Amino acid sequence: DAGITQSPRHKVTETGTPVTLRCHQTENHRYMYWYRQDPGHGLRLIHYSYGVKDTDKGEVSDGYSVSRSKTEDFLLTLESATSSQTSVYFCAISATGQSVPYEQYFGPGTRLTVT
Amino acid sequence: SQQGEEDPQALSIQEGENATMNCSYKTSINNLQWYRQNSGRGLVHLILIRSNEREKHSGRLRVTLDTSKKSSSLLITASRAADTASYFCATARTGANNLFFGTGTRLTVIP
Repeated sequence: DAGITQSPRHKVTETGTPVTLRCHQTENHRYMYWYRQDPGHGLRLIHYSYGVKDTDKGEVSDGYSVSRSKTEDFLLTLESATSSQTSVYFCAISATGQSVPYEQYFGPGTRLTVT
Repeated sequence: SQQGEEDPQALSIQEGENATMNCSYKTSINNLQWYRQNSGRGLVHLILIRSNEREKHSGRLRVTLDTSKKSSSLLITASRAADTASYFCATARTGANNLFFGTGTRLTVIP
């Protein structure tokens, strides 16, 4: 988890409210990722960023948006939280080169419960 | 949908035994990676094997890759109780900037 922090670590929120999760890195890595982890599904990519203001969708991006205004910060926003978004969210970073993914380093995770 | 599928889903062995986990995938890849996740923690990178490599070692870990069969295996030798964790394979699909993770193998090493 060194060099990557996530905040908050735990959050309970109500259906319909907006939620923002923050990922902060001190490694100056170009690529940042947001995943969700659910039983039986492994890790699924929500969005990723390949530079400041450069983002792209993953396989489960509906209902989520992201922003990256600085190299070190990558924000994930649930625009209107639903119970199906109850999950553990992981941020990861990577020093990818020439479009070939290298190893990823993961944060400690955020456990989000939507009631 | 996941790119990699691990087999078995769960594995329980005695301390000192070897543990073998398998991963199958569907498309061409640049590399394949294995990660470990302890309960309640983030994933930790273990080893990366490139598509032109067939075998790689790191300490007690041995990874093989057979691109003709689109499969990989992770062998942990002389297992320890501390190896108890979930293990995931992840594939770097050709042309993609991200990894695709499998659903994992839950390994339990009994002291």
